[in-house]
Amino acid sequence: GQQLNQSPQSMFIQEGEDVSMNCTSSSIFNTWLWYKQDPGEGPVLLIALYKAGELTSNGRLTAQFGITRKDSFLNISASIPSDVGIYFCAGHDNAGNMLTFGGGTRLMVKP
Amino acid sequence: EPEVTQTPSHQVTQMGQEVILRCVPISNHLYFYWYRQILGQKVEFLVSFYNNEISEKSEIFDDQFSVERPDGSNFTLKIRSTKLEDSAMYFCASSRRTTTGELFFGEGSRLTVL
Repeated sequence: GQQLNQSPQSMFIQEGEDVSMNCTSSSIFNTWLWYKQDPGEGPVLLIALYKAGELTSNGRLTAQFGITRKDSFLNISASIPSDVGIYFCAGHDNAGNMLTFGGGTRLMVKP
Repeated sequence: EPEVTQTPSHQVTQMGQEVILRCVPISNHLYFYWYRQILGQKVEFLVSFYNNEISEKSEIFDDQFSVERPDGSNFTLKIRSTKLEDSAMYFCASSRRTTTGELFFGEGSRLTVL
């Protein structure tokens, strides 16, 4: 099946620092999405990207859909303690109904 | 704000027992999903459901699993004879459309098989 490689697996940063994480795939996706999962809860959609090359912002979050449609990155600027959680990239190929998730990036923010 | 609700939040069961996990999707959504997350691992697709039938399922979703929409609001996942490796967090999700991947997830049901 399709695989998404997400890196880094974890990050431990100081409050106020910027964060960058990315996802790569061996196959093409038509939609890239970024979800955040807080402890004990389900994933919550942060950003959805629909077009190759698209750059989208949501507050302090910025994500880009790679030109090749095989990668995406998520940046978080000026991190705050509530940014703590696990961030998952996900790809959707429109051919089916399923999302393929990356392995997640665990973000820890030191106040 | 509308949300997907799941019950129970945690279920402990003996190996070989049947388990039913329940979900109430967002009311105007038409597409329903179950995903699974083994502790510390990524979220994995199990099954999607539309128009009262399964539209897609993964290799994980074998004959031990079934889904049902018994009425206009509930969506259930049944595991007929649980195995130790079924221990995981099970997430229900729903969406208005199937073409974008914009899913709304519930908070999950943690299943522990002893």
